[in-house]
Amino acid sequence: LAKTTQPISMDSYEGQEVNITCSHNNIATNDYITWYQQFPSQGPRFIIQGYKTKVTNEVASLFIPADRKSSTLSLPRVSLSDTAVYYCLVGLTGGFKTIFGAGTRLFVKA
Amino acid sequence: ETGVTQTPRHLVMGMTNKKSLKCEQHLGHNAMYWYKQSAKKPLELMFVYSLEERVENNSVPSRFSPECPNSSLLNLHLHALQPEDSALYLCASSQGKQENGYTFGSGTRLTVV
Repeated sequence: LAKTTQPISMDSYEGQEVNITCSHNNIATNDYITWYQQFPSQGPRFIIQGYKTKVTNEVASLFIPADRKSSTLSLPRVSLSDTAVYYCLVGLTGGFKTIFGAGTRLFVKA
Repeated sequence: ETGVTQTPRHLVMGMTNKKSLKCEQHLGHNAMYWYKQSAKKPLELMFVYSLEERVENNSVPSRFSPECPNSSLLNLHLHALQPEDSALYLCASSQGKQENGYTFGSGTRLTVV
């Protein structure tokens, strides 16, 4: 099982860049890294996915070093509405070996 | 709207009741899932259906019974639940193994009294 470790919580201010790092030392060769965002009483929402190096989309960037034992989600210029729990998921979508961890609770302050 | 619709949004039921949670996905995905999220706990995968067949079944009590009438519908039948089963029940769907991961519904907040 690809276990992930993330900080439990982080605080930031509006307009700052936020970087959340996830450790996944036993990632398998076929595993992808996927990040989700969850607001209270809603389902998680897909943010970004990658396999290696860097991936960027309209909301975030994902940095993955060559050894793939960690990954960093980067949120540029956060706003109050980015306050949520962020999950790092490692593995193949749809299997019991792909486990959601506790996530990182990000709190953005004015 | 994510394309995965769950009903009802909220449900209160007694321990002797029988109820069902419903999920419909409008995305053409070929796999659907039930997750349970208890307060301050990570999401727990309960059931996986791929192409309408149950692929894996985590060790979930028999008082939870899934049903997949077709590739876009997934139900979860509830019977004789316990107060500790109170949680947010989330339905998700996916296409293939990677392709943008899971798409989740908004969930059903279940309270067992």
